[in-house]
Amino acid sequence: GENVEQHPSTLSVQEGDSAVIKCTYSDSASNYFPWYKQELGKRPQLIIDIRSNVGEKKDQRIAVTLNKTAKHFSLHITETQPEDSAVYFCAASNAGNMLTFGGGTRLMVKP
Amino acid sequence: DTEVTQTPKHLVMGMTNKKSLKCEQHMGHRAMYWYKQKAKKPPELMFVYSYEKLSINESVPSRFSPECPNSSLLNLHLHALQPEDSALYLCASSQDPSGGLRDTQYFGPGTRLTVL
Repeated sequence: GENVEQHPSTLSVQEGDSAVIKCTYSDSASNYFPWYKQELGKRPQLIIDIRSNVGEKKDQRIAVTLNKTAKHFSLHITETQPEDSAVYFCAASNAGNMLTFGGGTRLMVKP
Repeated sequence: DTEVTQTPKHLVMGMTNKKSLKCEQHMGHRAMYWYKQKAKKPPELMFVYSYEKLSINESVPSRFSPECPNSSLLNLHLHALQPEDSALYLCASSQDPSGGLRDTQYFGPGTRLTVL
């Protein structure tokens, strides 16, 4: 089955700096890569996703890049704000729509 | 209605109890999912329903019994649980069970289950 590894497990940045979280996946059949943000005690919320026919996608301060050859994808957050503090999960899915999550990254943005 | 709802928010049960978790969505989604999330861990897939039929069971113990009465509702029946089953149980739904361009999964708020 699919295996998704995520790094780093914790990330502390100063407000206004950029944050980068990286994930690798093992199954070359995976074709959909969402990123979820989960605040303490809340549900995972989709913040951005990318499909295997696209190399990069951007939504305001958030961007995701995908390298299918190397089987890795990354989340980039620019101009971080304290409200960006949360746990971020990457995930990979194949045509059967089974999501396999990475281990999560706890992002702390210091004011 | 663009939300997935779950009840109850919290549940405490003994090992001999029988209880049920409920999930509802009115987005017309035809795939629904149960996930289990332990503290500081990612969600782990338990079951997938496609067009109201169980399509994936990720080797979940029989003390967890899913049910999909109709396209909007998903239940998880619990019986003879163990303390290690204490976790946040998340429901999710997506539009197209076959994946493709409409396979974004939307999560409910979860039920926090404690087994004594």
